[in-house]
Amino acid sequence: DTEVTQTPKHLVMGMTNKKSLKCEQHMGHRAMYWYKQKAKKPPELMFVYSYEKLSINESVPSRFSPECPNSSLLNLHLHALQPEDSALYLCASSQGQGARKNIQYFGAGTRLSVL
Amino acid sequence: AQTVTQSQPEMSVQEAETVTLSCTYDTSENNYYLFWYKQPPSRQMILVIRQEAYKQQNATENRFSVNFQKAAKSFSLKISDSQLGDTAMYFCAFMKHESGNKLVFGAGTILRVKS
Repeated sequence: DTEVTQTPKHLVMGMTNKKSLKCEQHMGHRAMYWYKQKAKKPPELMFVYSYEKLSINESVPSRFSPECPNSSLLNLHLHALQPEDSALYLCASSQGQGARKNIQYFGAGTRLSVL
Repeated sequence: AQTVTQSQPEMSVQEAETVTLSCTYDTSENNYYLFWYKQPPSRQMILVIRQEAYKQQNATENRFSVNFQKAAKSFSLKISDSQLGDTAMYFCAFMKHESGNKLVFGAGTILRVKS
């Protein structure tokens, strides 16, 4: 089973709303990732969690707040977003880091629209 | 910083024929990994093939194979016996060893398989 599940599939929010994206995997992976992807562009890394600790933050604005409550779950809390934040948000996971463990498995994404 | 270049924004191929997608990268590292990911219109990113830079043998996965030229920093993907289900955006990606699993993606190539 190489499944990464993301909910919701679609989300529409206003600029003053607070919402959360959820990502779950049950593969025993210890690294999890958030990416942002604009239409017809490659994914851009936002955050990396390794063993439930934030290891990489790619200078993402504070209106995006990641959380890793346990090794299977990754959340992305959204607050006061801008219309330019509308995008597909992808979650991924990998066994760990280094050779043989660094293959990332992606979820289907959450399509976010900010009005 | 590493960069990945995919020089073909779009390509088309007839069903059952062979197509090659190009990818070049720029790095001063000696130890790294290269990936091809496929993203169909349904949007879930799927790993196609992975290559470790220290391995001279080209990776193969069924109808998919790569031509890895380390000195030329080239990593092309060959798809044999193309199928309609191969229609997708294909991303080439680079990962430096001990980089926290940070993937650097190319801009992508849209491949259309025609019947």
